[in-house]
Amino acid sequence: QQQVKQSPQSLIVQKGGISIINCAYENTAFDYFPWYQQFPGKGPALLIAIRPDVSEKKEGRFTISFNKSAKQFSLHIMDSQPGDSATYFCAASGIQGAQKLVFGQGTRLTINP
Amino acid sequence: GAVVSQHPSRVICKSGTSVKIECRSLDFQATTMFWYRQFPKKSLMLMATSNEGSKATYEQGVEKDKFLINHASLTLSTLTVTSAHPEDSSFYICSASGRAGEQYFGPGTRLTVT
Repeated sequence: QQQVKQSPQSLIVQKGGISIINCAYENTAFDYFPWYQQFPGKGPALLIAIRPDVSEKKEGRFTISFNKSAKQFSLHIMDSQPGDSATYFCAASGIQGAQKLVFGQGTRLTINP
Repeated sequence: GAVVSQHPSRVICKSGTSVKIECRSLDFQATTMFWYRQFPKKSLMLMATSNEGSKATYEQGVEKDKFLINHASLTLSTLTVTSAHPEDSSFYICSASGRAGEQYFGPGTRLTVT
């Protein structure tokens, strides 16, 4: 119930293409869904986050799509660039106070030039 | 804004010694900080949740006497790895929680125990 399942494990996309990473959760008490980007040897950086009162959130080239009934959410990276090559983690938590994040397994994204 | 720092970024210590890692929220007050451990090519594993002025809450399987956590102020939490052994070698990352509950991560500390 506490798991967040992320797919694919790795993804290769051509420069300019759309990268799509998917996550699914079971716990309906989750109501905060962030995505993190991590480069090798660095800490994760908060990329974009969504709460279940909206179905989509866009920030620049990054978009989260959220399907509450299916308990799924996804990250779309438009016009993918080589600099986007990193590991991406989805996560979920409650918003009552500072609750711990449950992370997905991570997706290693490679953008080919 | 929302900058979290960690010190040191890398540390090498001998087996049996202790090492302290600091985590600071630089531009906001964090009532809650979290400590994670990350193995190569793996996801983050939560070790403990640290609330300012109170004892840390450890995740199952994490030895509280080995990984000492202190959260003395709203901007500083420390993790001390006591009597370190080679199997404690890992990437340790802290995060600090903002008012809205979002978490901002530090840059991580690479611990190598020889």
